[in-house]
Amino acid sequence: QVQLAESGGGLVKPGGSLRLSCAASGFSFGDYYMNWIRQAPGKGLEWVSYIGGGGSAIYYADSVRGRFTISRDNAKNSVHLQINSLRAEDTAVYYCATDWGDHGGMDVWGQGTTVTVSS
Amino acid sequence: DIVMTQSPDSLAVSLGERATINCRSSQTVLYSSSNKNYLAWYQQKPGQPPKLLIYWASTRESGVPDRFSGSGSGTDFTLTISSLQAEDVAVYYCQQYYSTPYTFGQGTKLEIK
Repeated sequence: QVQLAESGGGLVKPGGSLRLSCAASGFSFGDYYMNWIRQAPGKGLEWVSYIGGGGSAIYYADSVRGRFTISRDNAKNSVHLQINSLRAEDTAVYYCATDWGDHGGMDVWGQGTTVTVSS
Repeated sequence: DIVMTQSPDSLAVSLGERATINCRSSQTVLYSSSNKNYLAWYQQKPGQPPKLLIYWASTRESGVPDRFSGSGSGTDFTLTISSLQAEDVAVYYCQQYYSTPYTFGQGTKLEIK
């Protein structure tokens, strides 16, 4: 069964850091790109970052570039999002997602992990 | 960046009636070499992650009921639910994957009238 499971969220003070993780199972992880998408409370979806299967192709949204770093460990079937210099506006549910069906749309999503930035 | 704009922001439709949601991109998402529109539609219910409904603008994801259909090309797209069911109450998003950042529309909240 193809699954993604995020972890690492929590309550952090402004300026703090967190490392989010996404564990994949049920598919050949290294063959697939991964995305992080976030959703602020009561708001819409915002794409955050992309990493290619080999880890060399990496893209970020302008709102997080320079503060967030995406990485992956194909030996451990996991992708990570290091988030630094956190701001109140980074408060959101963070989802990892992939295009397992290889058709462009993201057809496999995790349940999300919640990041709350507050003093 | 490609800006995705959905209309309306909210929609109330009677059970069994047709629901139509529009999505416009600020530039084309049609990749000429493949003749494919890099446009997806998602459904999100409260407390759940989004669910892929449609990709390549008009291809229904496996397991999605055939009352859901997507159409359009270039910059203008439509998601149609032919006969609204109670379980279709949700927020619907379009998303382009033509170029990064892979932007989403702001969402359309669909309710029962």
